[in-house]
Amino acid sequence: DQQVKQNSPSLSVQEGRISILNCDYTNSMFDYFLWYKKYPAEGPTFLISISSIKDKNEDGRFTVFLNKSAKHLSLHIVPSQPGDSAVYFCAASGNNRLAFGKGNQVVVIP
Amino acid sequence: DVKVTQSSRYLVKRTGEKVFLECVQDMDHENMFWYRQDPGLGLRLIYFSYDVKMKEKGDIPEGYSVSREKKERFSLILESASTNQTSMYLCASSQQAYNSPLHFGNGTRLTVT
Repeated sequence: DQQVKQNSPSLSVQEGRISILNCDYTNSMFDYFLWYKKYPAEGPTFLISISSIKDKNEDGRFTVFLNKSAKHLSLHIVPSQPGDSAVYFCAASGNNRLAFGKGNQVVVIP
Repeated sequence: DVKVTQSSRYLVKRTGEKVFLECVQDMDHENMFWYRQDPGLGLRLIYFSYDVKMKEKGDIPEGYSVSREKKERFSLILESASTNQTSMYLCASSQQAYNSPLHFGNGTRLTVT
């Protein structure tokens, strides 16, 4: 069963606008959430994380929001830049388990 | 910066061959992982290791084994390669098993013909 779901597999956005990526999870034992970014022919790189004791974490242009009651998190990228074009993976961990979503392709149009 | 190095970027092997994928990390991390990435399926955990000579099966261990004789090195072994093992293989390490970021290598693209 898929414990971490990323719908809308691809997203196109104009440079300078906001990119919003969504992620839903099913396991209420998950308490730590991460986003990774992956370019073709490279491994994923860690982008930002959030613990379940927070509802928001910000790092420069990247903000992650967590809604525990809805089991939903989102990644906001503002402003989007062409170098943000990549696949983004959501991940959730807790209870000795780590699960990844299937990824979202983001294309930022100059 | 943590560096995770996978020995090969691209490999082509024949069905039935025994294949070794090597991974080395330089940050003294206890935990190391092997994932495979396939289109539409995301990242799936094959095996992980939380200490030297210790290993745990992930979600898709069938057809694979692993070896961790030294802390910095984690090897993935395909005992008898099959075409359905054609994939991108990603090694990762982390300070904690679950509540810290994984540091990934650049991957090995394996093609089994």
